[in-house]
Amino acid sequence: QIQLVQSGPEVKKPGASVKVSCKTSGYNFTYYGVSWVRQAPGQGPEWMAWISTYHGHSNYAPKFADRITVTTDSATSTVSLELRDLISGDTAVYYCAREDNWLDPWGQGTLVTVSS
Amino acid sequence: QSVLTQPPSVSGAPGQKVAISCTGSTSNIGAGYDVHWYQQLPGTAPKLLIYANSNRPSGVPDRFSASKSGTSASLAITGLQAEDEADYYCQSIDTTLSGSRVFGGGTKLTVL
Repeated sequence: QIQLVQSGPEVKKPGASVKVSCKTSGYNFTYYGVSWVRQAPGQGPEWMAWISTYHGHSNYAPKFADRITVTTDSATSTVSLELRDLISGDTAVYYCAREDNWLDPWGQGTLVTVSS
Repeated sequence: QSVLTQPPSVSGAPGQKVAISCTGSTSNIGAGYDVHWYQQLPGTAPKLLIYANSNRPSGVPDRFSASKSGTSASLAITGLQAEDEADYYCQSIDTTLSGSRVFGGGTKLTVL
């Protein structure tokens, strides 16, 4: 079956960077892009970025464009998100999701906690 | 402030019907972009419920239906069941945000 399995929880200090990985399986990796979405406690989802797993082209939400990088590794069918210059407001659950216009399925989520 | 506007909460008794609205603008829903709906149970990742305005993925009961008109969309749930209690989100694309995907603020459905 189609699965997106994310890396484990992270605790970071303000100003640090975090990298979250998303390993996919069960489908042809390069046929679908992958989006990253985060959800702060008690809030709705917030889209952050999309990457084409075919040619690596990415599209970032303007809010994150200056401190986010999304990469793809076809050899391991893995997409990664790096977020830099973390602040307390970045504390959230980060999800990857396969995108075929709509987002399905989603990874299990990775909790990133930013605290001094 | 979400780009797509949903009511914060709706409720209904078992067996009843409820509807959740999703209001956008001419830069997203009204520009012709599809609307998708997700269901999120407590402590879990969102799950695709409706795609491309009105289509149900396999496994989603036909009690769930949706439509789109103009700058708005709507999700309807008939024959409410206790297991339907969850948060529901609409999602589309917005042209003023460099093609960003945008979500509604979410609607908490309570089954009385």
